[in-house]
Amino acid sequence: QSVLTQPPSVSGAPGQRVTISCTGSSSNIGAGYDVHWYQQLPGTAPKLLIYSSRKRPSGVPDRFSGSKSGTSASLAITGLQAEDEADYYCQSHDSRLSGSSDYVFGTGTKVTVL
Amino acid sequence: QVTLRESGPALLRPTQTLTLTCTFSGFSLNTPGMLVSWLRQPPGKALEWLAVIDWDDDEKYTTSLKTRLTISTDTSKNQVVLTMTNMDPVDSATYFCARVRSGGYADYWGQGTLVTVSS
Repeated sequence: QSVLTQPPSVSGAPGQRVTISCTGSSSNIGAGYDVHWYQQLPGTAPKLLIYSSRKRPSGVPDRFSGSKSGTSASLAITGLQAEDEADYYCQSHDSRLSGSSDYVFGTGTKVTVL
Repeated sequence: QVTLRESGPALLRPTQTLTLTCTFSGFSLNTPGMLVSWLRQPPGKALEWLAVIDWDDDEKYTTSLKTRLTISTDTSKNQVVLTMTNMDPVDSATYFCARVRSGGYADYWGQGTLVTVSS
């Protein structure tokens, strides 16, 4: 049901850089809608990590950064830490089905710190 | 301090109607640019947006569930209620409410409430 595609998993050693892609289409990311990213630790509610494609809420470390180009977006985590092990979701809007914009989420990516 | 808390039944029978309440504090739904949304997450699966209501009482629903969902606020506008009709076991999930900003992102979330649909 998700219209935004993410890799199921990525992994890296502590201190490394990992990136998570979020691939959409011309009716969502490619239409110019912003992309937002959430981190979900096991058993907890999602937490806003990046909004408006590249902005960080107060309190989010600058190790996390977002970018968007064309029909895709990416989340980068530099200096990977054990506490970063979580599920990550991208979110945008899509105007394909209803004519107005539905909120849509990505398929989710599990980040494992080796 | 912004907080949101979901409440509702933990167990429903198939075909019953689910009513969930989101009680929030620390912000006002009368403020332009403020919205409250309901989302869900089946066990082990991805997040799914369900519905949103804004400061002007405008409602939007996910297209696939539009006929089954109703979102509303109470008169004091510090609670947002979601009803979902004709519940099915596939609707078993953790249901979250969240504050949404006009940029379309959820910046505060409730802890979620697990709803199981089973006969």
